[in-house]
Amino acid sequence: NAGVMQNPRHLVRRRGQEARLRCSPMKGHSHVYWYRQLPEEGLKFMVYLQKENIIDESGMPKERFSAEFPKEGPSILRIQQVVRGDSAAYFCASSPSARPNNEQFFGPGTRLTVL
Amino acid sequence: GESVGLHLPTLSVQEGDNSIINCAYSNSASDYFIWYKQESGKGPQFIIDIRSNMDKRQGQRVTVLLNKTVKHLSLQIAATQPGDSAVYFCAEDEGSNYKLTFGKGTLLTVNP
Repeated sequence: NAGVMQNPRHLVRRRGQEARLRCSPMKGHSHVYWYRQLPEEGLKFMVYLQKENIIDESGMPKERFSAEFPKEGPSILRIQQVVRGDSAAYFCASSPSARPNNEQFFGPGTRLTVL
Repeated sequence: GESVGLHLPTLSVQEGDNSIINCAYSNSASDYFIWYKQESGKGPQFIIDIRSNMDKRQGQRVTVLLNKTVKHLSLQIAATQPGDSAVYFCAEDEGSNYKLTFGKGTLLTVNP
């Protein structure tokens, strides 16, 4: 049973380009969460999605960032017109539901570097 | 092991010793807590969790203690092994049932 998969593992972009990060949840999981981690810091919640729905995007920057989880295919975190401050590790997690005490399983992350 | 400044708190132990990693949380409404282990270049890995109606929970070689009075969480690792070397994060659910708030982490180094 494959775990949460993320690709690419490393992504380098120049300022102003777009970054697209992909996350395939564990089989049977319909809830996806994106977190961002700066060096030597804990993960910060960005967004929570279910299939075709954004449930909570309170941690997403108001501009340039968007996320989707279509009916078919992986969840996508999209960052438009990247800036150096977007450089971070972006982690996706999934769970079978959002009931209390449902463990979130994390992927290996995508490390974004903006030049 | 509380977060101070911009650098990770560190804990260095000898192989075979017991380790205790501490975490202070801020929200008295938090009702669910998790400890994660993160190895270099990898995503967080679940270790153990505890609900707010408990004060202690044990797993394999690990124990989590919760003191709600002082809003303190600790992770005890028995007979620490080199493979335990990693950054350890506590995370709390402040009642949302899905949004986890992470602490800054503690770097555990196990010396052989």
